[in-house]
Amino acid sequence: EVQLQESGPGLVKPSQSLSLTCSVTGYSITSNYWGWIRKFPGNKMEWMGYISYSDSTDYNPFLKSRISIIRDTSKNQFFLQLNSVTTEDTATYYCARYYSSYFDYWGQGVMVTVSS
Amino acid sequence: DIQMTQSPASLSASLEEIVTITCQASQDISNWLAWYQQKPGKSPQLLIYGATSLADGVPSRFSGSRSGTQYSLTITRLQVEDIGIYYCQQASSGPWTFGGGTKLELK
Repeated sequence: EVQLQESGPGLVKPSQSLSLTCSVTGYSITSNYWGWIRKFPGNKMEWMGYISYSDSTDYNPFLKSRISIIRDTSKNQFFLQLNSVTTEDTATYYCARYYSSYFDYWGQGVMVTVSS
Repeated sequence: DIQMTQSPASLSASLEEIVTITCQASQDISNWLAWYQQKPGKSPQLLIYGATSLADGVPSRFSGSRSGTQYSLTITRLQVEDIGIYYCQQASSGPWTFGGGTKLELK
């Protein structure tokens, strides 16, 4: 069974970088696409970006100057880095697998608060 | 970006009732639409993709339909376990965008 698990700090200071890990079991990240989605307080959902089986990436243009997604295939993990965070980046962050442009497996989510 | 306008924002319904949630796309998305259910304290779960195809393991009381650029999710015979927040997502062109969500509660 495909399982995804996010990990990372729950509190980040403004202007710092947010770094999260998604650990995948039951499926190789060298297949399919793998993405990050976040849910803000108030329920708005935002697609952030993805990394593909071939290591290509695509990002939401709204975040393009601040976001990076990379992977470590030896550990079957992929990572999110979001730079220069503000309180507007406070959200629950999910990693997910793409299936034909839809998200068919999700992690349980990690809540990140940006606060000094 | 393609905007997805979802309605209603909240909905209160009785057990066994028929419930319909809609998403209006700002342009043609040619059935590239998914519906997700998020139960309290859980991550979202794919219910429907391609506007009308049921994801694996999803009960048949869930169905999707399309009329032009309006997409609908219908739950026939609402059950207690259907309570949660529902989202639509367009997958026609990037950036992928979601509707604002519909919070479904029991009356």
